[in-house]
Formats: sequence, structure tokens, C-alpha cells
Amino acid sequence: EAGVAQSPRYKIIEKRQSVAFWCNPISGHATLYWYQQILGQGPKLLIQFQNNGVVDDSQLPKDRFSAERLKGVDSTLKIQPAKLEDSAVYLCASSPRAWLAGDTDTQYFGPGTRLTVL
Amino acid sequence: AQSVTQLGSHVSVSEGALVLLRCNYSSSVPPYLFWYVQYPNQGLQLLLKYTSAATLVKGINGFEAEFKKSETSFHLTKPSAHMSDAAEYFCAASNTGFQKLVFGTGTRLLVSP
Repeated sequence: EAGVAQSPRYKIIEKRQSVAFWCNPISGHATLYWYQQILGQGPKLLIQFQNNGVVDDSQLPKDRFSAERLKGVDSTLKIQPAKLEDSAVYLCASSPRAWLAGDTDTQYFGPGTRLTVL
Repeated sequence: AQSVTQLGSHVSVSEGALVLLRCNYSSSVPPYLFWYVQYPNQGLQLLLKYTSAATLVKGINGFEAEFKKSETSFHLTKPSAHMSDAAEYFCAASNTGFQKLVFGTGTRLLVSP
């Protein structure tokens, strides 16, 4: 079974430029997550999709970050314009099931995209 | 809000020694708890998870963790460290609901020969 795919693996941009990251989750997985991992910290959830609907984007800086999940499969995360503090690894994860009350599900992570903003 | 604390940003052990990585959570309702491992330039890999079925959870690569409600802890252990265990380890918690994971800041495990 193929894992979560992400591209690009590395990206270097100047501040105020735009950048986009792509994620292909494991086939058939209902839920998709984007995390931001700043150096020395644990991952922080930015946005969670269930199929193609957003269920949690409370920590997404909506003035500059946007995300979509096309047809409930692939997803893109965009930053426009980028700031120095956006330098981080952006992790995509997916889990098999949709939300079920009183239950949780294993999340499978991709290798991440390392963004450096100069 | 749920939070996870990992004591010690770095832990050093000798090969063959006991590994103990500490994790405490803050929640009035015991959450689901996870340990993930991250090797350099790779994503996170699930080691084990606690879902209230048993307080002692066995995971991959010889790791296990014990859920202690009275201590709000979920420490990760391995009886004998191997060089290949050197990596970053993250404890995470998720309350019932939308499966949102809250991560600790991570502990880097260093294994010396």
C-alpha cells in the first residue's frame, strides 16, 4: 500500500512570495490533515478535512494560508504572501475513517515539505 | 484545552540500556494517547496508541507504554536500546471528537555505543 505522498520535499522562497504544497493521501482515506512543524516543536494542526469538507481550521492563519481538498482526494496548501516565521516542515497526514463519536483513528504521515523563507 | 508535556528535550542512553521517555497530558477526561517516532527527513511513524482497552500498550520495535490515570502519564519504555532507535519521539493526545492530535515538543533520543 502506497503511503502519503507530498511534493515538493524542499522549497526555498523569499518573503512575500507565494508557495503551494501538494498532498496525495493513502487511497480511500476519508480524513486529511495539514500540520506545521516548526524547528524544535511538535507538529501543530493547521486544517483537517473530512472527505472534501473542512472540520477544523481554527489554527490556520486565514489571512495568508488557504487549503483545499479536490474531490475528497488530493489536497493543496498555499501560503500567500509568505513570512519569515512560516519557515517550517509542513506535514500531511491521512486517516481511514470519517469522524465517529467516541472513536479515534490512526493518522499516517507523509515525509513533509521543508519550507525555508528568506 | 488539551496539552501534552514531554520532559527532557534530549535523552542519552548507551546501547543495551533502558529507554524511558516521559509524557504527561492535561485533561479531566482521559484522552486517546499516541507515541510517534520521526527519523531525520522523514514523516512521523506510529509506535503505539492507547485507546482505553488496556493500560499497558505494546508497540512496534519493542517499545511499550503504560497509561497511568492517577499520574496523567503515558511514558514510553524499551528494555534495551539499539543504535537504530536514535530518533525524535513525539507524544500526542486526542480527545473524542474530531481526532485532532495535540503534540508534545518532542524528545530526541541519542544512543551511544
